[in-house]
Amino acid sequence: NAGVTQTPKFRILKIGQSMTLQCAQDMNHNYMYWYRQDPGMGLKLIYYSVGAGITDKGEVPNGYNVSRSTTEDFPLRLELAAPSQTSVYFCASSPGTGLQETQYFGPGTRLLVL
Amino acid sequence: GESVGLHLPTLSVQEGDNSIINCAYSNSASDYFIWYKQESGKGPQFIIDIRSNMDKRQGQRVTVLLNKTVKHLSLQIAATQPGDSAVYFCAENPPQGKLIFGQGTTLQVKP
Repeated sequence: NAGVTQTPKFRILKIGQSMTLQCAQDMNHNYMYWYRQDPGMGLKLIYYSVGAGITDKGEVPNGYNVSRSTTEDFPLRLELAAPSQTSVYFCASSPGTGLQETQYFGPGTRLLVL
Repeated sequence: GESVGLHLPTLSVQEGDNSIINCAYSNSASDYFIWYKQESGKGPQFIIDIRSNMDKRQGQRVTVLLNKTVKHLSLQIAATQPGDSAVYFCAENPPQGKLIFGQGTTLQVKP
């Protein structure tokens, strides 16, 4: 299993541009998550999904959108990039059995908005 | 709001010594806790977890201690090695809630 994969690894955007960060998992996990991590800080939850077709906001959803059309994929969309969105973005997944769960993380996408 | 915090932002230890990384959590109802390790340029990696019905759990060279009375969690690393240098995050899982991460402690291992 590849686990959780993310593309691209790094991207530079101009203010106002849009892009989609890709995330995929091959562990048949129900739950998926998007976090951002600013320098020297912890992880902040942007959006999460408990299954295909179901998404919900996390702590910092403004400026982002998500969709979950399949169990495997959970793309994160930035419509109008702003410098405040410069960060490292991590996707994670967990089984979603309803029990106490470990989240498994991807390698991250580093985004710079200039 | 809820928060998980770490007492020290940076911990420097000598290679071969034991390391202790501390974490305070705020939700007394949290019933599951995880420690993650994040190496530079990589995503967080699961190290060890503990449920609230336990006060100690051991893994390979790592031990997690849970003190529910004072809402404190610690990660002990035995015989710290250079490869242990990383940022360590604790996370708490409130009932019916999502994981809440602390800000992290940087562990620096001196040769």
